[in-house]
Amino acid sequence: GEKVEQHESTLSVREGDSAVINCTYTDTASSYFPWYKQEAGKSLHFVIDIRSNVDRKQSQRLIVLLDKKAKRFSLHITATQPEDSAIYFCAASANSGTYQRFGTGTKLQVVP
Amino acid sequence: EAAVTQSPRNKVAVTGGKVTLSCNQTNNHNNMYWYRQDTGHGLRLIHYSYGAGSTEKGDIPDGYKASRPSQENFSLILELATPSQTSVYFCASGEGTGADTQYFGPGTRLLVL
Repeated sequence: GEKVEQHESTLSVREGDSAVINCTYTDTASSYFPWYKQEAGKSLHFVIDIRSNVDRKQSQRLIVLLDKKAKRFSLHITATQPEDSAIYFCAASANSGTYQRFGTGTKLQVVP
Repeated sequence: EAAVTQSPRNKVAVTGGKVTLSCNQTNNHNNMYWYRQDTGHGLRLIHYSYGAGSTEKGDIPDGYKASRPSQENFSLILELATPSQTSVYFCASGEGTGADTQYFGPGTRLLVL
């Protein structure tokens, strides 16, 4: 079955710099790639996603890139702010898939 | 906005006891999911459901049962709780297939002594 690997377990960046979180997946049938954010002590909420018919998607300061050949996708957070500090989870699912498989999470710390 | 609630929010149970975690969603979503979150493992899927009356096994179903008596409610049942089931449990709902945004509940922190 699908396996999603999230390569950075922790990441520290200076406020204002960019942060990049990378994920890889194994199933070539995967076509939907969401990202979720979990702030300290809270639940997860959706932040951005990308589908396999495009290779780039942007929502304000968040950019998702998808490289289907390498089975890799990444979340770029530009001009980071303290409120970006959280754990970020990537996930993958096939369009016909019944559920998403999650990575192990990346703890992002934005330092002043 | 999507609304998923869980109860209880915190639970202490004894080994061998029965634990029921409840989830309610008001979004009229067909799909509901139960996950557990453990450090180093991320989110792992225990059971999921396509709709009322349906339950399916996820990646780690052993030691857990699920029940979906209605569109709104999805329960996770630990018949004989063990310390290894100490974790944070999240319920989520989603509209269609797995290729849709999931909306998560606030989580239940379970400690099995």
